[in-house]
Amino acid sequence: AQSVTQLGSHVSVSEGALVLLRCNYSSSVPPYLFWYVQYPNQGLQLLLKYTTGATLVKGINGFEAEFKKSETSFHLTKPSAHMSDAAEYFCAVTGSGGSYIPTFGRGTSLIVHP
Amino acid sequence: EAQVTQNPRYLITVTGKKLTVTCSQNMNHEYMSWYRQDPGLGLRQIYYSMNVEVTDKGDVPEGYKVSRKEKRNFPLILESPSPNQTSLYFCASSLGGGSYNSPLHFGNGTRLTVT
Repeated sequence: AQSVTQLGSHVSVSEGALVLLRCNYSSSVPPYLFWYVQYPNQGLQLLLKYTTGATLVKGINGFEAEFKKSETSFHLTKPSAHMSDAAEYFCAVTGSGGSYIPTFGRGTSLIVHP
Repeated sequence: EAQVTQNPRYLITVTGKKLTVTCSQNMNHEYMSWYRQDPGLGLRQIYYSMNVEVTDKGDVPEGYKVSRKEKRNFPLILESPSPNQTSLYFCASSLGGGSYNSPLHFGNGTRLTVT
């Protein structure tokens, strides 16, 4: 079985500060990992994904995530937060047990202070 | 434009009055799914479909029905809505199947209130 844990339901940063959103997964096989972002009153959209190959993955809007197999982590970072980054962020995993069905974390709400 | 279209965006209804939320995708995706989103609980899967005429229960299927008669459409049916089904609902689709690296494409959501 696969599962995803996002540490911290809310993360608050100042504009210009580093953003770090944590995601840990469990999977019986090498996973496929995703980060999605949900802006207010919108559906989720793909931010970035890890499949195979390079462990540092770059996404949209300056976000990136690093796959660390030894730590079973896929943390999302951005060097400098912008007010427009305020949103809900979801980590997801798929591929465990030969099943496509994605498993989502509970989400982290990013709050950006001026 | 590739998209998942849900209707309606907002719906207020009364307990027991049957309703249907429609979902359509134009990307020829095999996999479609319904989620509900509630504060503090994240996304919970209601039903999913791996392909036409194939549907399966997710984590919270009670009180919901779905059908997949055509590849593009995946309606969510509440035969007798109750107040605990008040939530934000999302439809999503992807290539699915063996395409494990295929991301989900989400609709814009349907906010349902049952009084």
